[in-house]
Amino acid sequence: SQQGEEDPQALSIQEGENATMNCSYKTSINNLQWYRQNSGRGLVHLILIRSNEREKHSGRLRVTLDTSKKSSSLLITASRAADTASYFCASTNAGGTSYGKLTFGQGTILTVHP
Amino acid sequence: NAGVTQTPKFRVLKTGQSMTLLCAQDMNHEYMYWYRQDPGMGLRLIHYSVGEGTTAKGEVPDGYNVSRLKKQNFLLGLESAAPSQTSVYFCASRVAVYNEQFFGPGTRLTVL
Repeated sequence: SQQGEEDPQALSIQEGENATMNCSYKTSINNLQWYRQNSGRGLVHLILIRSNEREKHSGRLRVTLDTSKKSSSLLITASRAADTASYFCASTNAGGTSYGKLTFGQGTILTVHP
Repeated sequence: NAGVTQTPKFRVLKTGQSMTLLCAQDMNHEYMYWYRQDPGMGLRLIHYSVGEGTTAKGEVPDGYNVSRLKKQNFLLGLESAAPSQTSVYFCASRVAVYNEQFFGPGTRLTVL
């Protein structure tokens, strides 16, 4: 079963609005990553947040992590039509030797209308 | 640098046929991974490798075999394809000391 559950499954907004996607996971993690997938393409890494961090920024992206609730959120500010894509959270489990294996959520499909 | 490349991009097989998917990376990455992506299920790890000559099972390894004879290549084999293996297959690689994975463009496989 999938480690991560993402919410919402689909999000439709207008250009300029903010988009927030949420991710929950089940086990303790070392880090949580967010990836973007444009239609028909491979995944592209966006941002990583470690288990001892609570918030991280990268350009128009803001990621938060709440380990007590086993959840993370990705905020895209001032969205653009080019942000239209599927967004996935992926976690690396804590403990032992994980070799960086990622467990993915089901993804959120974001559509930004011009 | 080409990054991570996958061959072929598309393939249609009949049940019982075999095939090999090739993943190549030119970034000298130690770790390589094979995932499958199915609608509504995100990506699931099939097999992975932490170095030349080593492979290990992931979350959904049944029906697949892998080999990593050269550091830059990671092969995924289907010995007897089944309709349940219809999926999009992604290869990824990473440097051992960093967590970011670099993905290939995917192979869309249909098994009839």
